[in-house]
Amino acid sequence: EVQLVQSGAEVKRPGESLKISCKGSGYSFSSNWIGWVRQMPGKGLEWMGIIYPGDSDTRYSPSFQGQVTISADKSISTAYLHWSSLKTSDTAIYYCAREGAAAADYWGQGTRVTVSS
Amino acid sequence: EIVLTQSPATLSLSPGERATLSCRASQSVSSYLAWYQQKPGQAPRLLIYAASNRATGIPARFSGSGSGTDFTLTISSLEPEDAAVYYCQQRSNWPRVITFGQGTRLEI
Repeated sequence: EVQLVQSGAEVKRPGESLKISCKGSGYSFSSNWIGWVRQMPGKGLEWMGIIYPGDSDTRYSPSFQGQVTISADKSISTAYLHWSSLKTSDTAIYYCAREGAAAADYWGQGTRVTVSS
Repeated sequence: EIVLTQSPATLSLSPGERATLSCRASQSVSSYLAWYQQKPGQAPRLLIYAASNRATGIPARFSGSGSGTDFTLTISSLEPEDAAVYYCQQRSNWPRVITFGQGTRLEI
């Protein structure tokens, strides 16, 4: 069974760093792209970027380029989303998803990130 | 960047009725369009890929059509559990920039 399990909710202060994770199982993690999607409170879905764990090829939406870093460790089947300096506007739920050419077919349960002073 | 516009923003219908949700792209995306359903407090779920193909386990009452710039998600006979927000997503430049529509809220 394909599963993506994300790390737990986080509460942080502005300016702090954060790395959240997404662990895949039940399929070849190295051979499938993983994407990240943001959902701000009460808002829609925003595609942030994507990584191919096999060679760490990474692409970003222009809206998120330079704001976050996507990485992966194929040895432990885990992808990451990292902020070096959080802003209050980063408050959102973040989803990872297994991406194919046609669609994102499996999704993680989401990680809620709250940034507040 | 390709912009997707969904209509209507909100749709209120009764059980057994037919729902028609629209997604229009600012330029052609061929058939590289997917539909997702999101219920409150849940992650999105893939419904339709490549414009008209149902994902695994999706009931036959859900169907997708269209190509180029105009797409439709149809739910033939609404069930109460179909209440959700539905998003279209274009993937014509995958794995480069992918965009979502703003969503249609379906109330039953």
